[in-house]
Amino acid sequence: DADVTQTPRNRITKTGKRIMLECSQTKGHDRMYWYRQDPGLGLRLIYYSFDVKDINKGEISDGYSVSRQAQAKFSLSLESAIPNQTALYFCATSDFPPGTSGSEEQFFGPGTRLTVL
Amino acid sequence: LAKTTQPISMDSYEGQEVNITCSHNNIATNDYITWYQQFPSQGPRFIIQGYKTKVTNEVASLFIPADRKSSTLSLPRVSLSDTAVYYCLVGVAALIFGKGTTLSVSS
Repeated sequence: DADVTQTPRNRITKTGKRIMLECSQTKGHDRMYWYRQDPGLGLRLIYYSFDVKDINKGEISDGYSVSRQAQAKFSLSLESAIPNQTALYFCATSDFPPGTSGSEEQFFGPGTRLTVL
Repeated sequence: LAKTTQPISMDSYEGQEVNITCSHNNIATNDYITWYQQFPSQGPRFIIQGYKTKVTNEVASLFIPADRKSSTLSLPRVSLSDTAVYYCLVGVAALIFGKGTTLSVSS
């Protein structure tokens, strides 16, 4: 079974609808992230969470909200979807134990392809 | 957060060595340099990480000069399957991917 799962894998919705994308992980990591990818724009960080009580905005948080329900679950919501939120969304996790040197390695889910009509 | 600059695209042929350079002029003392690889419709995956000098693993080598203001990812003898986007990230928490370098390998 995959360590980082995302549901749904594909979603088509209409402008104005509320959408929730879910991410679950079995790696036991404290840190979780949401990114979106658009052609030619690379990956952009939406929100990140370093533990259950921690939520931080990323590069492009407007129009999005998140919920960290548990260590293993991190959900991304679009309260009122608009067409320019059509993109490929990735969830990722990482771990950075105290005393660790270097930068953490992120592990990515398979992605959710969202289309807003 | 240190800003990185890397070429948008590169072309190569099978069997050649490919070097992708990333500039990070304002790298901080505690920052590490991390590279990821991404295939189409998949999430990125970690390739290699380093702080200074040279790091080598089974996939690639990473060269970092003494001033650490740039780094070079070296892929030896590339194959068609190395066609991907390569991202250079800098930081203790390396979260900013940017646009990466699209490497196209031809036969």
